[in-house]
Amino acid sequence: AQSVAQPEDQVNVAEGNPLTVKCTYSVSGNPYLFWYVQYPNRGLQFLLKYITGDNLVKGSYGFEAEFNKSQTSFHLKKPSALVSDSALYFCAVRDFGTGFQKLVFGTGTRLLVSP
Amino acid sequence: GAVVSQHPSRVICKSGTSVKIECRSLDFQATTMFWYRQFPKQSLMLMATSNEGSKATYEQGVEKDKFLINHASLTLSTLTVTSAHPEDSSFYICSGKTGGNQPQHFGDGTRLSIL
Repeated sequence: AQSVAQPEDQVNVAEGNPLTVKCTYSVSGNPYLFWYVQYPNRGLQFLLKYITGDNLVKGSYGFEAEFNKSQTSFHLKKPSALVSDSALYFCAVRDFGTGFQKLVFGTGTRLLVSP
Repeated sequence: GAVVSQHPSRVICKSGTSVKIECRSLDFQATTMFWYRQFPKQSLMLMATSNEGSKATYEQGVEKDKFLINHASLTLSTLTVTSAHPEDSSFYICSGKTGGNQPQHFGDGTRLSIL
């Protein structure tokens, strides 16, 4: 079964510093990986995806993620954090098992950017 | 683009009543729609998947007679929580996607509180 793991419940970073939110995956076959962000009492917003191609994927709001096959990781990064980036971040992998292309989500990582 | 509207955003009702939540894709045709449930400080739990014009496929442990899903058109899916009880109180989120490798796009969620 496809799965992703987000080892950190919370990441704290000062505004202006680079941030990394970690995600590792376990799949059979080629992974289709996604990052979403959730603000309080809101749904999820799509940030970026990796299907194939360049290992460095650029997404919305200045975020990027690096696909690393040897380490089975897909960490989310941003060169300079903003206070407004504080939110809950979910990594997800597509599960092709049923044919519906479901997403399997990680447990989420809360990012707190301090001024 | 890719906007999903979910309504209502918040519902408070008495135990035993039925509640309908609507999910509309405003600017794309959602071939597949998904319904999730999210408990406080937890990840999203997929409840069911539906394709337009077909019966929904429910995840293991989700009562299909309690959580009625209708996907009548390519832009509308509804979730009806029948005879709701306090344990059904939760944050319900829908998403829609087109075919291929496109990401899921999420509504803003419905906070359901059963008294």
